[in-house]
Order: sequence, then C-alpha cells, then structure tokens
Amino acid sequence: EDQVTQSPEALRLQEGESSSLNCSYTVSGLRGLFWYRQDPGKGPEFLFTLYSAGEEKEKERLKATLTKKESFLHITAPKPEDSATYLCAVLSYGNKLVFGAGTILRVKS
Amino acid sequence: DGGITQSPKYLFRKEGQNVTLSCEQNLNHDAMYWYRQDPGQGLRLIYYSQIVNDFQKGDIAEGYSVSREKKESFPLTVTSAQKNPTAFYLCASSIDLAAEAFFGQGTRLTVV
Repeated sequence: EDQVTQSPEALRLQEGESSSLNCSYTVSGLRGLFWYRQDPGKGPEFLFTLYSAGEEKEKERLKATLTKKESFLHITAPKPEDSATYLCAVLSYGNKLVFGAGTILRVKS
Repeated sequence: DGGITQSPKYLFRKEGQNVTLSCEQNLNHDAMYWYRQDPGQGLRLIYYSQIVNDFQKGDIAEGYSVSREKKESFPLTVTSAQKNPTAFYLCASSIDLAAEAFFGQGTRLTVV
C-alpha cells in the first residue's frame, strides 16, 4: 500500500532560522512528488513537482529535493509569512495520488 | 483570471438531508477531483473524473455522488447515507491524471 509520512508534525522557528521538512514515502513506482502550501481555511497552493531522484526545485526561500525514499523541503531564513501547513503528495504509476498529513510551520518574528 | 471556484464557502445541513457542493474550473483541465480533509489527516480522495461523462470512485466514495456533464463542472452531492459528513471539502483539477493538481478554496460543511 502506498504511504506518505511527513515529519515533524509541527515546527516552530524563529525568523531567519533555517530548517527542513521531511516527506518519506513508499510507493509502487514513483511517477511524481508534489509539494503544496496550505493556509488555514484555504485550499492548498501548488509549490513544486519533482520527478526523479536527485532533482531539485527552488522558489524564493523554499528548495525541494528528492531521493528514492524521501523528499525534503528546505526553508532558508524563513519569515512569518512562511507560516502555513506544508503538504506532500506522491503519485504512483497507477495514477493514485496519496497525501501526507502535513507539517504545520510557525515562524515567529 | 483562470482558476477553480467552489461554492458555497460555508454550508450547514440538517441530518437526513442531501446537499450539493459546486465546483467550476476555467483552466480547460480534463481531470477533476474531490477530496475531503479532516483535522490531522491527509487529504482523502472521494471521486475523480478523467474526462467528461466519466468518473471513478476514490478511497472514500460511500455516501457521496458526482456527475461530470460538462468539462468545467464537477458537482459533489453529500447524501444522507454519509455517516460523518462534517468536513472541509476540496475540489481540484489538472491537465491529466499525471499532472499537478490545482485546488479551489474549499467548502466547509457542517451537519447540525
């Protein structure tokens, strides 16, 4: 069974304190891995798609990386506006998309 | 602006009533999805549609029904058979089943 586990469940950072969020997965053939940002009471906002191990994508203070077993979302010098829930989802070759439960990030000024 | 519109944003339903959630997209996407989100859980797939006039059950389809008569529209009906319908419902669309999905702003359904 395809599974996605995100850690930590919650993370508190000071403004400027860099860190990483983890998304580990087991899937019967990875077709793609997606990262989303979700603000309270809103729909998820698409951030990145990663397709193969070794691939990296960047957007402002965020950088996503992918290995054969996990993906990391690195946040460099975060700001309070980066506070949100970050969701990871994996797509298998059966076109089944499985979401993790998310990491709640709080950045304090 | 292209996007996905869900309505209403908040919906209250009495027990035993059916209710329909609206989802419209103007992105010209073929695939559309309905997810349910509960606190502390990942998004769970209710139904998805790859193309007009076709749809498939997801992981938690019991107590729900959908239709896909137009490419732009994918309404979800929560029936009285759904035992625990209070949740945040998200509609999404993508170019095809292998591409990244884009989400609407959600409908929060509360059974009173």
